[in-house]
Amino acid sequence: QTVVTQEPSFSVSPGGTVTLTCGLSSGSVSTSYYPSWYQQTPGQAPRTLISSTNSRSSGVPDRFSGSILGNKAALTITGAQADDESDYYCVLYMGSGIWVFGGGTKLTVL
Amino acid sequence: QVQLVESGGGVVQPGRSLRLSCAASGFTFSSFAMHWVRQAPGKGLEWVALISYDGSKEYFADSVKGRFIISRDNSKNTLSLQMNSLRVEDTAVYFCARSASPVDAVDIWGQGTRVTVSS
Repeated sequence: QTVVTQEPSFSVSPGGTVTLTCGLSSGSVSTSYYPSWYQQTPGQAPRTLISSTNSRSSGVPDRFSGSILGNKAALTITGAQADDESDYYCVLYMGSGIWVFGGGTKLTVL
Repeated sequence: QVQLVESGGGVVQPGRSLRLSCAASGFTFSSFAMHWVRQAPGKGLEWVALISYDGSKEYFADSVKGRFIISRDNSKNTLSLQMNSLRVEDTAVYFCARSASPVDAVDIWGQGTRVTVSS
């Protein structure tokens, strides 16, 4: 069974840049997996940030960007702000209608 | 405005059934694929099921296949999840969500409904 991998936690200084990644336990992530990224704060519904690798959702600040870096999908936050402190999830399309989420990354801004 | 509102959550014993609903408004429901995604207490998101815009195709995570049924009523703008043979590990907040197609990312999420499976 394929596992989608994310860093469990990451920290960034205010104003700094951080790149979170989304990989596969076996194989490489490509645009064919339509990687998407979501932000979630405790007790709230997720918010869609990025779809199809690098398409920013409406209303999402341009400091959030998506890409493929090496064999992983990546979410880069440039100029991190305090309210970026959240859990971040990626999801990959495995084909045949099946989606699999990564375990999430808890981002701390300090 | 575009809105998804889940209902039907509650406390249920293992082995019993529960039916969740999601009421959609503010958009053409029949044009969008719909998902259920869940989140166990203190855990990450888990994709559960997907139904195509017209209800002709359904897809399930292995963890719920054969136990859960996803359906939709486009005349009532409603998505449903029939959960049978519930297990303790099905305890979670269940979110309904929409996407433009089965290969598009979710773009709109509901606020979720809590399901607790406990004896």
